[in-house]
Formats: sequence, C-alpha cells, structure tokens
Amino acid sequence: QVQLVQSGAEVKEPGASVKVSCKASGYTFTSNIMHWVRQATGQRLEWMGWIHPGNGNTVYSQKFQGRVTITRDTSASTAYMEVNSLRSEDTAVYYCARDMAVWGKGTTVTVSS
Amino acid sequence: DIVMTQTPLSLSVTPGQPASISCKSSQSLLHSDGKTNLFWYLQKSGQPPQLLIYEVSNRFSGVPERFSGSGSGTDFTLKISRVEAEDVGVYYCMQSIQLTSGAFGPGTKVDIK
Repeated sequence: QVQLVQSGAEVKEPGASVKVSCKASGYTFTSNIMHWVRQATGQRLEWMGWIHPGNGNTVYSQKFQGRVTITRDTSASTAYMEVNSLRSEDTAVYYCARDMAVWGKGTTVTVSS
Repeated sequence: DIVMTQTPLSLSVTPGQPASISCKSSQSLLHSDGKTNLFWYLQKSGQPPQLLIYEVSNRFSGVPERFSGSGSGTDFTLKISRVEAEDVGVYYCMQSIQLTSGAFGPGTKVDIK
C-alpha cells in the first residue's frame, strides 16, 4: 500500500535551517506530485509547495518562495523540504502528501532559542 | 488570492443525526478542464488530515457512504447522513485551482453531544 514515512522531530535555533524528508513506498515515486503542507498548533493547514519527482519541477506558495526548497532523490524514492532562516513562527508540524490524497504522519519542527 | 470560508466553525451533533458544513470560495473553483477543484478532509486529533471527498462529490477510497459532497462554482457542502462517534475532528475544505498558503478553509470542529 502507499506509504509516506517522514523523518523525526527537529529542534532548531532561530536563523538555522531544517530539512525534512518523506520516503515513499508502494507506488512509482516519479509518477505523482508530492505536496508539502504545514500546521502550527491550533491553526489551519497551510499549503507550502509541490514537486513533481519525475522531472523535478517545483511550485511554491508565494509566502514561502525564496525560503523553502523542495527537492527529491528518485533513487531513494524520497522527497525533501528545507526551510531556511527559521523563526519562531515556523514552529509547526510539516506534512508531505501525495497528490494531496495520501499523507505522511508529519514531522514536528520546533524553533526555539 | 482565493479566500476560503467555512460555516459553522464548530458543530455539536447527536450520534445518528445528520450534520452539514458549508464552504465558500471567493472565486469559482471550476477549472477549464471541467473539473471543480474542491476537496474535503477530516483531521482527527493528533493525526494528519485524511481525504474524504475530491472534486466536490467523489468519495475517496474507503470513505463511508454517509459522507457526501455537493455544490458548484463557489458554494459547497459536506454532509454526514448519520454522525458516528468516530467522525469527531476538524473538517477542512481545500481548493487546488490556485494553490496558495491560504488554500484551506479555517476548519469546522465537530464533536459529539
């Protein structure tokens, strides 16, 4: 069955970077778009961007353009989402989601000094 | 940017009774390909969102028949014919015709009386 396994929780200081991974299995990784969505505690879901693993094309929300980079490693069937210049407002659970239909369990990123 | 709103923001339902959630978008979600890009998700406590409905009215794999979606253009509705205890959580609508950080509605919290 389709499964997305995300990397573990991270604690980072303000100004640092974080890279979250999402390993896919149960389907052809290069065939489906992978989205990234985040959710701060008690807040609504926020769409961040997507990557097409087949060709590496990416689209980002304007809010995150320039600070977020989504990449993939097709040999490892893994997508990555990196956020730079972290601030406290980036504290959230980050999800990957295949075609916005099948979701990973989420990775908690805490930004604190 | 398209703005998504939901009403009500909170709903308390007696088991076995119906429930209905409204979602409105500030622009039509009808794509030039004829599809309407409106999704419904349920997020249970501590879990990632799970897709219930895609393209307004199509139930995702494994979703019980008591969930149905309807609407067109800018006005959409999710109905639960007979609410069960396992249906508690936050329901989100989402548009994908113009993906931005605000693609999701604010969420409707459903609990059991």
